[in-house]
Amino acid sequence: DIQMTQSPSSLSASVGDRVTITCRASQSISSFLNWFQQKPGKAPKLLIFAASSLQSGVPSRFSGSGSGTDFTLTISSLQPEDFATYYCQQSYSTLYTFGQGTKLEIK
Amino acid sequence: QVQLQESGPGLVKPSQTLSLTCTVSGASISSGSYYWSWIRQPAGKGLEWIGHIHTSGSTKYNPSLKSRVTISVDTSKNQFSLKLTSVTAADTAFYYCAIAFSQLAPLDPWGQGTLVTVSS
Repeated sequence: DIQMTQSPSSLSASVGDRVTITCRASQSISSFLNWFQQKPGKAPKLLIFAASSLQSGVPSRFSGSGSGTDFTLTISSLQPEDFATYYCQQSYSTLYTFGQGTKLEIK
Repeated sequence: QVQLQESGPGLVKPSQTLSLTCTVSGASISSGSYYWSWIRQPAGKGLEWIGHIHTSGSTKYNPSLKSRVTISVDTSKNQFSLKLTSVTAADTAFYYCAIAFSQLAPLDPWGQGTLVTVSS
């Protein structure tokens, strides 16, 4: 299995801050890395696919980068609605795996 | 627009079989080259992919659950289903269904999820 490791596991930040979350794969997954946002009581929502492609309707303050084993999700200027938990997921192998999640909290 | 909706019992007794169905609208479950997945999430914890079934009928399962999981399709109802046998309290979770439109595509969209509690 491809293991996905996110860091940090939690993060406190303020509205307007720039935030970066990292995700590392245990082997190369090319650019087949996706980012999801999940709010309490809701299903995960796709933000970024193929490492850096913004899903339709997602604000441009969200961006993704990376390839191979190391990836980042950046939120350029945090908004109140961005406080949530974020997950990475690899789709390189059809044995899909997720990172353990990063909980983004208000400072 | 593809939409998915999970349904099934919210309470299952230990040692019994958990059975859930995902009803698909906006796409035919028997066409395309799609991967129909089940994912679960214990309350307050992370996401765990359970497995998927391809349009061709081939399946793949999470190795940690493989001995207890079966995913199948009912083309007449445009549904796919999950069966998880010999459940314990550790199987208590929100269960989601989702689709990947190709082998390398992300899981999107997802159903809203359904809570299954394993308790006597």
